[in-house]
Amino acid sequence: KQEVTQIPAALSVPEGENLVLNCSFTDSAIYNLQWFRQDPGKGLTSLLLIQSSQREQTSGRLNASLDKSSGRSTLYIAASQPGDSATYLCAVQYSGAGSYQLTFGKGTKLSVIP
Amino acid sequence: DTGVSQDPRHKITKRGQNVTFRCDPISEHNRLYWYRQTLGQGPEFLTYFQNEAQLEKSRLLSDRFSAERPKGSFSTLEIQRTEQGDSAMYLCASSPGAGIPNEKLFFGSGTQLSVL
Repeated sequence: KQEVTQIPAALSVPEGENLVLNCSFTDSAIYNLQWFRQDPGKGLTSLLLIQSSQREQTSGRLNASLDKSSGRSTLYIAASQPGDSATYLCAVQYSGAGSYQLTFGKGTKLSVIP
Repeated sequence: DTGVSQDPRHKITKRGQNVTFRCDPISEHNRLYWYRQTLGQGPEFLTYFQNEAQLEKSRLLSDRFSAERPKGSFSTLEIQRTEQGDSAMYLCASSPGAGIPNEKLFFGSGTQLSVL
């Protein structure tokens, strides 16, 4: 069974701190890995998509890396702000049968304290 | 607003009733997806449309669930004879469908279903 695991489940940091969220997946046969943000009671917002041939993607204060061979990705958030407080979800698009579906982790709930 | 639109935002129903949700994707997006999310969990894939064709269905989609996208634009998800275990957020997403799998998905705000 293809699984995605996110550690930690929750994280609380003071404003201004840099932080790293972790994601691991069980099968290296992937098209891509995506990071999403979800605010309470809302849908998901796509943050970054890393294709299987890429090592990292950057958008503003966000940087995501991908190590396909070890089945790991990290999301780095620089200079965190209270507005970054949300749940961050990692999702993998596996290649092969069922290739248009995303397999999600349970998310990391981030709280940035002013 | 040109994002993905879902209706209703909230639905409360009694066990055994039928419910129907609607999703309007971003205009000209060919691909449409339905996911289900329960509290504290990540979304789980339910089904996928390429235009009007339903190409993938999860084993989670029991015979009480049916989804349609009749004209390749909006989609409906119907749950018959609802059960308390159906209580969840139902999320719709769309993507351009340019013939490659590496596309960002655009999600709607979801329909929160509560079955009493």
